[in-house]
This record gives sequence, structure tokens and C-alpha cells, in this order.
Amino acid sequence: DIQMTQSPSSLSASVGDRVTITCRASQSIRTYLNWYQQKPGQAPILLIYTASSLQSGVPSRFSGSGSGTDFTLTISSLQPEDFATYYCQQSYSPPPTFGQGTKLDIK
Amino acid sequence: QVQLQQWGAGLLKPSETLSLTCAVYGGSFSGYFWSWIRQPPGKGLEWIGEVNHRGSTKYNPSLKSRITISQDTSKNQLSLKLNFVTAADTAVYYCARGNVDTQGYYVGSDHWGQGTLVTVSS
Repeated sequence: DIQMTQSPSSLSASVGDRVTITCRASQSIRTYLNWYQQKPGQAPILLIYTASSLQSGVPSRFSGSGSGTDFTLTISSLQPEDFATYYCQQSYSPPPTFGQGTKLDIK
Repeated sequence: QVQLQQWGAGLLKPSETLSLTCAVYGGSFSGYFWSWIRQPPGKGLEWIGEVNHRGSTKYNPSLKSRITISQDTSKNQLSLKLNFVTAADTAVYYCARGNVDTQGYYVGSDHWGQGTLVTVSS
């Protein structure tokens, strides 16, 4: 299985901050990298697919980049509703595997 | 608007069979991968397996010997059975719709069920 490693595991930030979360794959996954946001007690929400494509309905302050093994999710200006846990997921090679998550909370 | 509604038993004893069903409303079953994903309490996400509209399945190798995923296209439903459960199978189980790109690669799940907490305890 392809291993996905996110950093940091947790992050404290303030409303208005620019935040970047990174995800590294154990081997090349081309651009088959997806990002999800999950709030407590809720199902995950797809934010970004194929590394940089913004899912319909997701605010434009979310963006993704990368290819091969290294990827980033950037939130350009944090809003109160963005405090949540974020997961990356590779979908290049079955089984699709997730990173361990990055918990973003309020500083 | 696509909605996924799931149901099934929430409390099992060790060695019993977990059985969940997910109904898809407001959208086609065709052209998508339909997955089951689980999340142990306080932990991350684990992909269990998937079925496509043709009935072809893929399973997580770590669970393959115990799981069956099937579909009923006449009812727009998919189901999950997990045999011989243990406490390690305690988790919230989600069904989800996976999109497919033009090359047949799965490119993320854009609709999810509400989740079902399944607890395994004697």
C-alpha cells in the first residue's frame, strides 16, 4: 500500500492567517491526490481532487498543488468555519489510502 | 440533489457479522465507484472497499478475507458485510460516491452517507 504522511499533525492559527498543510506519498502518485475537510461528528467533505482541482461549491480560498510525491493544501485566509481536521488521500493505486490527518484549531 | 442514506445494526458481539446498507437518492448509480470507508473513534479514515455500477469489486487487502460488498442497481443500493467482527472493527462506517476520471481512476468521493457507528462489544 502507498503510505501517505501529512505534516504537521496539528496546527494552531488565527482567523485571517494563511495556512499550508503538506502531504507526502511513499511513491509517485502523479496528481491523484485528494483533500478532505472533516468536522467532529460529520462526514468528510471533498475539497480538492487531482491535486489542484477545486470541488464544486468549495470556497476559492482553498487551493492545492503538487505532483509526484509532494503536495500542499493552502487556505489563503482562514475563516472561523475552516477549523477542522484535514485529510489527504491518494487514489492512484488501490487501496486508496489516507494521511493521518491534520487538526487545525484556533490559536 | 444526491443523498446517501445508510442503515444497519449498531451493536454487535464478537464473531458476529456486520451488515450495512446504503441507498442512493437523486442520482444515477452508473458511472461511479461506490465505497465503504470507516473511522475508528478518534482516529483516521480507512478505505474498506468499493463496487462499481457493473458490479466489479475491489477490497482492502487487510480486510479482504472478511468482507463482501454488493449492489442492487434496481434499488440504487449498496451493501457491506463484514464477518467475524472484533473490537478492532468498532468504528463509524460511511458509504460514499466516488468520481471517476476519463482514464478510469477514482478521483475522490464527493457525496457521503451520514455515517453509522458500529460498536463491537461482548
